[in-house]
Amino acid sequence: ELKVEQNPLFLSMQEGKNYTIYCNYSTTSDRLYWYRQDPGKSLESLFVLLSNGAVKQEGRLMASLDTKARLSTLHITAAVHDLSATYFCAVDILLTNAGKSTFGDGTTLTVKP
Amino acid sequence: GAVVSQHPSWVICKSGTSVKIECRSLDFQATTMFWYRQFPKQSLMLMATSNEGSKATYEQGVEKDKFLINHASLTLSTLTVTSAHPEDSSFYICSARDPASGTYEQYFGPGTRLTVT
Repeated sequence: ELKVEQNPLFLSMQEGKNYTIYCNYSTTSDRLYWYRQDPGKSLESLFVLLSNGAVKQEGRLMASLDTKARLSTLHITAAVHDLSATYFCAVDILLTNAGKSTFGDGTTLTVKP
Repeated sequence: GAVVSQHPSWVICKSGTSVKIECRSLDFQATTMFWYRQFPKQSLMLMATSNEGSKATYEQGVEKDKFLINHASLTLSTLTVTSAHPEDSSFYICSARDPASGTYEQYFGPGTRLTVT
């Protein structure tokens, strides 16, 4: 059974600081996704990581994937209040998992002034 | 990116009644759609995989007679919560994969908040 673990689950940080969210998964994956969810809203796709060493950046967020370590990171640079949200990673194993995604428990980020 | 819509965005119903939620892929055809449920401050829980033209595949522990799924066309899947009870109150989110996208990523609907009184 595929397991996806995120840490930390809760993160409170000051504006301007840097931090990293980690996503570990238990078996070989075809794809890894990062999503953002604002309170009361659905999921917004941030990044799709398809291969070992993949790095994607958008604004103050950068995601990377190490398939050998089964680890993805979401790095936050110089955090601002607008980044406050819950971030989920999700992993696909398309051939054996019927196209389903397995989600981590989410990391709730609060950025304080 | 591709767009998935849901209707209604919120619904309040009385205990014992049934509620239907629609999920539509607006600009692509989806042979497979997924239905999730999310309780407050928790992650998404996959309920079932909806397959166009065939029966849905339910996850372990999800009552298929209570959560009826119909995927009648390549752009529409419906979830009917039958004989709803207060414990069914939750945020229901559907998603669909766009087979034409190179990344095979899921596109999520905006969600439906169900409150059963």
